[in-house]
Amino acid sequence: AQTVTQSQPEMSVQEAETVTLSCTYDTSENNYYLFWYKQPPSRQMILVIRQEAYKQQNATENRFSVNFQKAAKSFSLKISDSQLGDTAMYFCAFMKLPQGGSEKLVFGKGTKLTVNP
Amino acid sequence: NAGVTQTPKFQVLKTGQSMTLQCAQDMNHEYMSWYRQDPGMGLRLIHYSVGAGITDQGEVPNGYNVSRSTTEDFPLRLLSAAPSQTSVYFCATGIAGGRAGELFFGEGSRLTVL
Repeated sequence: AQTVTQSQPEMSVQEAETVTLSCTYDTSENNYYLFWYKQPPSRQMILVIRQEAYKQQNATENRFSVNFQKAAKSFSLKISDSQLGDTAMYFCAFMKLPQGGSEKLVFGKGTKLTVNP
Repeated sequence: NAGVTQTPKFQVLKTGQSMTLQCAQDMNHEYMSWYRQDPGMGLRLIHYSVGAGITDQGEVPNGYNVSRSTTEDFPLRLLSAAPSQTSVYFCATGIAGGRAGELFFGEGSRLTVL
């Protein structure tokens, strides 16, 4: 079974600075997907960024980027120029290649990020 | 555009009572799922469905039933609630064959079982 570990329960960062959230995972699969989801306080969870394991290039989405180290099974999220609206719980998630339309994600326990003014 | 709608948002039950959490989506997504979120545990998959008439178990299915008679609706039933089922429940949908793993979540239903 796949497991996802987020070792930082809570983090804080000053507005406009950069912060990196860590995630490691365990799997015997060679092809899979990795994700970072954001859950703002009292709001719906949304996808921040996704990475396909067969792609060597790290994914980027505006101020969000990942450092994907396949051999080390590491998938960290870097948030540049942090904004107050980035305050949220961040979940790292893993998914095997979809089979039969199933998209079962395995989530880590989350990292609570607070951006301070 | 409503997206994924969950009802009720809050519910208090007594041990042994039954109830149904509703999930409705208007995005014509084939894939629907239920997760529960507990402090320090992240999200865990309860049940999922890849289309009308097809359901399957996730990681923590015990104590929950689901059915999928239409594309739009995916209710989660608790037949005999237990305090261990106190949690926040999320319905999530996805496009089969779309961006794999991109799930669209409802706002959550907070359930307390006394």
